[in-house]
Amino acid sequence: DGGITQSPKYLFRKEGQNVTLSCEQNLNHDAMYWYRQDPGQGLRLIYYSQIVNDFQKGDIAEGYSVSREKKESFPLTVTSAQKNPTAFYLCASSVGTTTNEKLFFGSGTQLSVL
Amino acid sequence: AQSVTQLGSHVSVSEGALVLLRCNYSSSVPPYLFWYVQYPNQGLQLLLKYTSAATLVKGINGFEAEFKKSETSFHLTKPSAHMSDAAEYFCAVSDPGGGADGLTFGKGTHLIIQP
Repeated sequence: DGGITQSPKYLFRKEGQNVTLSCEQNLNHDAMYWYRQDPGQGLRLIYYSQIVNDFQKGDIAEGYSVSREKKESFPLTVTSAQKNPTAFYLCASSVGTTTNEKLFFGSGTQLSVL
Repeated sequence: AQSVTQLGSHVSVSEGALVLLRCNYSSSVPPYLFWYVQYPNQGLQLLLKYTSAATLVKGINGFEAEFKKSETSFHLTKPSAHMSDAAEYFCAVSDPGGGADGLTFGKGTHLIIQP
């Protein structure tokens, strides 16, 4: 079945540590997105990518980095500069890059700080 | 910048009762509008979307929403609530004029179904 796979489902970060969240899709979608979800805050856009080897900052990019070396993969690194990383992270993709396209979501990664 | 407001962080209804979840948007032009549902510890899935074809949009699981430009609203309804409808619901908006940075989401409404 086609879809988006996020791993791991749960991740713990020690202070000063960088951690990487994986996002893989086999839907052949061009656009991919990373959202952060905090209770009562909805979803906020971290980074998005419309095409391989290109990505743009979203609303809350500070303390995060991404890469898009392959169409199907869009990993997110939470760096030590992100002082409040505890959140639920959602990866999404869409067929095209126009904003009326349906977003397909992964099942998320819960990141917590030790 | 666009924004979307969901009235009520929690809504509680009895099983079999009408479900009404409110969403208002701010946009200078009629946007594209979406409702997504999220079950615990899962990603979001699309319930329905409005892209100017028809003001009353029918979605999955018996949900529908009506676009009202004069009220800048896109409220979600379901005639009869079921226990399986208990979840978090998000309204989202995008600008049909351009941009490819995904959607702007509301803060969500947690729907509670009382037996």
